[in-house]
Amino acid sequence: EAQVTQNPRYLITVTGKKLTVTCSQNMNHEYMSWYRQDPGLGLRQIYYSMNVEVTDKGDVPEGYKVSRKEKRNFPLILESPSPNQTSLYFCASSLYQGSREKLFFGSGTQLSVL
Amino acid sequence: AQTVTQSQPEMSVQEAETVTLSCTYDTSESDYYLFWYKQPPSRQMILVIRQEAYKQQNATENRFSVNFQKAAKSFSLKISDSQLGDAAMYFCAHNPTGAQKLVFGQGTRLTINP
Repeated sequence: EAQVTQNPRYLITVTGKKLTVTCSQNMNHEYMSWYRQDPGLGLRQIYYSMNVEVTDKGDVPEGYKVSRKEKRNFPLILESPSPNQTSLYFCASSLYQGSREKLFFGSGTQLSVL
Repeated sequence: AQTVTQSQPEMSVQEAETVTLSCTYDTSESDYYLFWYKQPPSRQMILVIRQEAYKQQNATENRFSVNFQKAAKSFSLKISDSQLGDAAMYFCAHNPTGAQKLVFGQGTRLTINP
């Protein structure tokens, strides 16, 4: 089944404790991206990747890191999480680009930073 | 800044009735794409409909159709014969020129009354 797999689904952590949210797609998509969803703000892009070893900042990249060592994986890293990073996070992928094609989304990660 | 505005935070409709969700966007370009995504309580993001701006014809997908008014920069979603499974948060999205992302509106929560 074609899908974007995101883990974990829920995560509670404390300020400053490094964490990684994993994302993997099995559709051989070149484009992958991370969004965060906050009430009243919709979804906002954090980082995106056009292909292996090609990543770039989105609208809200502060406090986040990403890497794209393999085509299928695009982990989101929070080196020192803070309470303002409490949010619902989505990984998304598409075949070539993330602006004109259908985006395939993961099932989301609800992160709470205490 | 590119913006997408959904002015109705919440809407409700009786089962089997028709409801229209509003969306306006800001752009100076003539070629772009617009999307409606549905987010049910499962949190999964599901593409409902996609519209290419250069196409005059309004996109339709079964009970879902759009009213695309290019000059007014309006992109409303009409749901006919509403069903209980249509209850969800609906997001309107637009692709800013030259950016590999979507800009999402704030969302409209749709409730279906039996």
